[in-house]
Amino acid sequence: EAGVAQSPRYKIIEKRQSVAFWCNPISGHATLYWYQQILGQGPKLLIQFQNNGVVDDSQLPKDRFSAERLKGVDSTLKIQPAKLEDSAVYLCASRPSRGAHIQYFGAGTRLSVL
Amino acid sequence: AQKITQTQPGMFVQEKEAVTLDCTYDTSDPSYGLFWYKQPSSGEMIFLIYQGSYDQQNATEGRYSLNFQKARKSANLVISASQLGDSAMYFCAMPGRYIFGTGTRLKVLA
Repeated sequence: EAGVAQSPRYKIIEKRQSVAFWCNPISGHATLYWYQQILGQGPKLLIQFQNNGVVDDSQLPKDRFSAERLKGVDSTLKIQPAKLEDSAVYLCASRPSRGAHIQYFGAGTRLSVL
Repeated sequence: AQKITQTQPGMFVQEKEAVTLDCTYDTSDPSYGLFWYKQPSSGEMIFLIYQGSYDQQNATEGRYSLNFQKARKSANLVISASQLGDSAMYFCAMPGRYIFGTGTRLKVLA
């Protein structure tokens, strides 16, 4: 079974530029999460999707961050415009069903904003 | 509100010995769970073990066991017979809002 795929693995941009990250969850997983992990900290949940609907985006900085999950499969997370403090690893995770709590994570995208 | 606290920024353990990583939590939910994840230098979060608040026995998964003390609100991870490959960051987390602690960096010494 293929795991959660994320791309790119690394991205370097300058502040005020835009960037997008892509995630392909494990096949059949209805729930998808995006996390931000700043160096030295634990992951922070940004947004949770159930199929193609948003369940929780309370910690998503909506003035610059946006996310979508068209057709309930792949998802993209966008930052526009980026700030220095957005430098972090962006992790995508998926979960098979409401009854199963275990999340499966991708390898993440490491973003450096200069 | 939920909160996870990991007070050990770093730990060392000798190969083949056991080590305990601490985690305390706070929640007002009557039913909850606790996870532990491992994050090696490659960056991917790897699920290790899960404990539900109403589980009668402490969870075990191979060399990993969870010392769950509900009254103390602690869910410590015990790794037995440490291996060099266990060197990584370890995170305690709670589902629902998926709150993670700040992690403990474990280094296994040969």
